[in-house]
This record gives sequence, C-alpha cells and structure tokens, in this order.
Amino acid sequence: EAQVTQNPRYLITVTGKKLTVTCSQNMNHEYMSWYRQDPGLGLRQIYYSMNVEATDKGDVPEGYKVSRKEKRNFPLILESPSPNQTSLYFCASSSFLWQGGNSPLHFGNGTRLTVT
Amino acid sequence: DAKTTQPPSMDCAEGRAANLPCNHSTISGNEYVYWYRQIHSQGPQYIIHGLKNNETNEMASLIITEDRKSSTLILPHATLRDTAVYYCIVRVIDMRFGAGTRLTVKP
Repeated sequence: EAQVTQNPRYLITVTGKKLTVTCSQNMNHEYMSWYRQDPGLGLRQIYYSMNVEATDKGDVPEGYKVSRKEKRNFPLILESPSPNQTSLYFCASSSFLWQGGNSPLHFGNGTRLTVT
Repeated sequence: DAKTTQPPSMDCAEGRAANLPCNHSTISGNEYVYWYRQIHSQGPQYIIHGLKNNETNEMASLIITEDRKSSTLILPHATLRDTAVYYCIVRVIDMRFGAGTRLTVKP
C-alpha cells in the first residue's frame, strides 16, 4: 500500500531533550515536506526537500533540522525542543515534475508533540 | 510564488451544492491549482487539481476562470461528512497552505 509513515504518533518530552520524528514513504517520491499545524494558523511549512541531499527552508524553519540522505526518509530533528514547538506535525511527499507538476501530496497521519 | 486567498468560513445545507471560491491572481502559466481538505486533525486529503480546463472527479468539480486568477471547488451534493477545512494551493516548489475555508454542512 502506498503510504507515508510517521513515527511516533504521540510524543511528550521535556524542554531541551533532543528528539527525532521519522517520516518514510514507499512511493519513490522525489519531493518531501514537513508541516506544523497550530489552532487557527492552518498548515505552515517547516522544511521541504526536492530530492536526496537537497533541502530548503519553508515558512517556519527556526528550531528544526532535517536531512535527506535517502530518497524514502525525511526525518525532522528538534535539537533542543521548547514549549512553543508543541504542535501537530505532518510529513508529506509527492512526485515532483519539472514540467509543472501534477502529482498530489500524500500526507502521513500526523505526530502530536507536546514539549513541557 | 503565487498566493491564494479563501474565505475563512462557509455554511452549506446538506444535499445542496457547496461552492468554495479561491483567488490566485498572481498565478503563473505553469502552476496548477490544487484542492485538499482536512477533517478534524487527520492528514489533509487530496481532492482535485487543474491547470486551465475545468476538471471533475468522483469527489468534486473544479472550475478555473479563463484568466486563471480564481477558481471554485464544487461539491455537488454536500453531506455532513464533507464538513472540513478546505485548502486551495498553487503548485510551486514549496507547497504552502494558507488557513483554508472551514466548510460546515448543516442538516
């Protein structure tokens, strides 16, 4: 089954304790992206990647790191989490077509992170 | 990058057509218009997309104006399960979502 898998689904941690949220897709997609969602603010893009070893900042990259060493994986790293990073996080992937693109985004089920 | 503007909320009676507008006046010639929806806190779900022509699938219809500066998503017979936040985005390298339109379908 084609899917984007995020882990964990729920995570409670303390300020300053490094954590990683994993994201994996099995569709051989070039494009992957991380979003966070907070009440009333919609989905805001954190980072995106157009292919292996190619990552770029989105709207709200501060406090986050990503890596794209393999095509299927795009982990989100919080080196020193703070309470303002408490949020619902989504990973997504799609085929990126240089001709203009007509491949929809596939989303994971989300990771609800709480930083105390 | 082209930006989109949507009304923050809309209501629709069950069984009636829901027409959700989106303005994308700065869209470029090769940028597609995509629509997604999000029910509660689930991952957004793809609905439909188009470039110039009107499109229809089993979920909805997409009407794009001739100048491509705006579009309308049509749910022909809205049900209570269509209550969700609907996002209109323009396909660019960094696919950014706005706040969307919260559609409430009422009995």
